[in-house]
Amino acid sequence: RKEVEQDPGPFNVPEGATVAFNCTYSNSASQSFFWYRQDCRKEPKLLMSVYSSGNEDGRFTAQLNRASQYISLLIRDSKLSDSATYLCVVNLLYSSASKIIFGSGTRLSIRP
Amino acid sequence: EADIYQTPRYLVIGTGKKITLECSQTMGHDKMYWYQQDPGMELHLIHYSYGVNSTEKGDLSSESTVSRIRTEHFPLTLESARPSHTSQYLCASSDRDRVLGNSPLHFGNGTRLTVT
Repeated sequence: RKEVEQDPGPFNVPEGATVAFNCTYSNSASQSFFWYRQDCRKEPKLLMSVYSSGNEDGRFTAQLNRASQYISLLIRDSKLSDSATYLCVVNLLYSSASKIIFGSGTRLSIRP
Repeated sequence: EADIYQTPRYLVIGTGKKITLECSQTMGHDKMYWYQQDPGMELHLIHYSYGVNSTEKGDLSSESTVSRIRTEHFPLTLESARPSHTSQYLCASSDRDRVLGNSPLHFGNGTRLTVT
């Protein structure tokens, strides 16, 4: 089982729709969490960090559920420009080291 | 925000050549990483460094080598390129965070390598 799992999609939704992705992680040593966005043939870019209390940035809302070990990303009023692959990233923190793990990504396609 | 630069942006080279992919960051980040990614596929960590003179192999076995002589510079070298090395190579850096262990990664715009 992968340490970080995402539904690969693709999610194909109409413009203006609300779409949500989940990401599950298996290691309880996971300390911090991020969502990245990657456009085709481009580098990943940080979309938002995910805080324990949940956080919002414009149309984007991120949630963390430590008990069930998953994080989520909600996109409201989706735009054509939201079409991309969304990567879930988990940072494991051990006593003397840390490790960053990327999910394999969820592809989102917004249609007009 | 980190400024991190990779050169060249694109490289087409023949089999057997030695190549070095450059990566530099100007934010003084301790940690630097090299990822390999094929089109439409997931990222694979091939090397990382937690500081000067520190380098480690990542999760994916790679024939490449790296060095970290200066904080800002983390070049990747292939002694003898082969067609199987054709891929995108992404460099990233992050700051050390005492609480979280890692601040978010900031990526360079990548080097797309084609070995003919």
